[in-house]
Amino acid sequence: DAKTTQPPSMDCAEGRAANLPCNHSTISGNEYVYWYRQIHSQGPQYIIHGLKNNETNEMASLIITEDRKSSTLILPHATLRDTAVYYCIVRVNSGYALNFGKGTSLLVTP
Amino acid sequence: SAVISQKPSRDICQRGTSLTIQCQVDSQVTMMFWYRQQPGQSLTLIATANQGSEATYESGFVIDKFPISRPNLTFSTLTVSNLSPEDSSIYLCSVSGAGGPDTQYFGPGTRLTVL
Repeated sequence: DAKTTQPPSMDCAEGRAANLPCNHSTISGNEYVYWYRQIHSQGPQYIIHGLKNNETNEMASLIITEDRKSSTLILPHATLRDTAVYYCIVRVNSGYALNFGKGTSLLVTP
Repeated sequence: SAVISQKPSRDICQRGTSLTIQCQVDSQVTMMFWYRQQPGQSLTLIATANQGSEATYESGFVIDKFPISRPNLTFSTLTVSNLSPEDSSIYLCSVSGAGGPDTQYFGPGTRLTVL
């Protein structure tokens, strides 16, 4: 699986959009970008994934650059409950396990 | 999606003993995985639990220390043997193939403290 690079930490004011970047310059053509988050002391939670088109669901939006070497997860209106570690993971779309990096620790402040 | 439960949710064990963690899924799944999360660290894959055959272990993890069973498509156990304080971690069960093959879901985790 391709390696990802994320900032170790970010802050965001409550109610504002949180934009979490991820670099994956060695991504292969058949690899997807996945985002998970882990709220303190809980199991990781799936957020969204995409191949090359931008994706949106009820939790977030995923913007993937045209060359697919980077992506941004957008939480449109961050709340205090969005405080968590966010993991960007690149892998083929199969039954293989996810490989977690260090992620980005997002702190949403009042 | 899949609903995953783990038992126990937490335990405190003495060194030299063993702990068996159960993972139950509310639907049949293709793949089941076990992860470890040491304090302040990210998740590390221990093994893939294969139904009806021996688990596939990642580098650095061995069957004698982490025996795994998977008797059917909804249940698996992980045993952490001969416990030492270094085994104090959160152990997480994960599955895929429940809502399509490309999404992986996680249980709530088992917090183990070894004294």
